[in-house]
Amino acid sequence: AQSVTQLGSHVSVSEGALVLLRCNYSSSVPPYLFWYVQYPNQGLQLLLKYTTGATLVKGINGFEAEFKKSETSFHLTKPSAHMSDAAEYFCAVTPTPGTGGFKTIFGAGTRLFVKA
Amino acid sequence: NAGVMQNPRHLVRRRGQEARLRCSPMKGHSHVYWYRQLPEEGLKFMVYLQKENIIDESGMPKERFSAEFPKEGPSILRIQQVVRGDSAAYFCASSQPDREYYEQYFGPGTRLTVT
Repeated sequence: AQSVTQLGSHVSVSEGALVLLRCNYSSSVPPYLFWYVQYPNQGLQLLLKYTTGATLVKGINGFEAEFKKSETSFHLTKPSAHMSDAAEYFCAVTPTPGTGGFKTIFGAGTRLFVKA
Repeated sequence: NAGVMQNPRHLVRRRGQEARLRCSPMKGHSHVYWYRQLPEEGLKFMVYLQKENIIDESGMPKERFSAEFPKEGPSILRIQQVVRGDSAAYFCASSQPDREYYEQYFGPGTRLTVT
């Protein structure tokens, strides 16, 4: 069974500082990987995804993530935090085509606080 | 192109009443997923539907919960005889019926409060 672990339920950074949100997954076969952002009282918005190809993927709002198979990780980074980045971030995995199942598994989320 | 629509956005029900949550997928999307988000938690998969078919309902509670996605009209998540523990945000997502099936687009959610 697949699972997702997000290390740190709360992360606080200063404006302009590096953002690093950690995500590790457990799966017998490397899945497809996603990062979503959720602003208060809103739905989830896709930030970026990894399916195949280049392991460093770039998303919206200056975020990027690197798939590291050996570490079963997909950490999210942004070089310089902005106040508008304050939100909840969710890492998620989906089985790859042909491996069976369509269920997307979400991590518990990491709330990012940005200090002025 | 309108996004995923959910209504109502907020729903208050007394214990024992029924709750009906509606989801209209994006145009061209025939796959619908329902998730539940409890306070301070991530989203938990409930059910995956295609038009007139339930594909995977392994996340649905065995009793009181049901979902449908008819040939015409929105997908409906129905909760009978609601209890306080049903209070949560319910999100619907949709995806295309092709190789991009895994890319889900989320609605704004319905926040259910059971009093």
